[in-house]
Amino acid sequence: KQEVTQIPAALSVPEGENLVLNCSFTDSAIYNLQWFRQDPGKGLTSLLLIQSSQREQTSGRLNASLDKSSGRSTLYIAASQPGDSATYLCAVTGANSKLTFGKGITLSVRP
Amino acid sequence: NAGVTQTPKFRVLKTGQSMTLLCAQDMNHEYMYWYRQDPGMGLRLIHYSVGEGTTAKGEVPDGYNVSRLKKQNFLLGLESAAPSQTSVYFCASSLGGYRRHTEAFFGQGTRLTVV
Repeated sequence: KQEVTQIPAALSVPEGENLVLNCSFTDSAIYNLQWFRQDPGKGLTSLLLIQSSQREQTSGRLNASLDKSSGRSTLYIAASQPGDSATYLCAVTGANSKLTFGKGITLSVRP
Repeated sequence: NAGVTQTPKFRVLKTGQSMTLLCAQDMNHEYMYWYRQDPGMGLRLIHYSVGEGTTAKGEVPDGYNVSRLKKQNFLLGLESAAPSQTSVYFCASSLGGYRRHTEAFFGQGTRLTVV
């Protein structure tokens, strides 16, 4: 059974700081890994998708990396802003087509 | 460009009542998923479908049934609602098929309270 872990559950940083969010998964037989953002009371917005054959993806101030063999991914956020405050979730698509999520990291960026 | 639409957005049920949640996508996606999100538990997969006419159990299927009679719609049914089914329900879809590596899109959620 695939398990996805995100530690810590919450993180508070001052504005302007560069930060890294971690995600680990137990079964390396995945098709892709996706990072999502969720604002309170809202749905999930896709941030970045990394296919199993890729090592990283970039979008603006966000960079996600994938090390499939070690079961790890990181989401790097450069020059954090208060508007980045949200919950960040990672999810993997396994060989059985299931999309399995971590519990998320709640990020607070202090002005 | 609707994407993934969930109906209804809010609902209050009494214990024992039944209801159906509708998920509709207009992107011609093969894969569709139903999740529930609870504080401290994250998103847990209830049921999913890899194509029209197919369904499969996820992590927490008990108390729920699903149907995928049309490719664009995925229905989640609660036959006899229980307070433990109070949650926020999310539907998602992705292209699937031979393009399993594509991203998933989510609806805005249905907030269900069972009293």
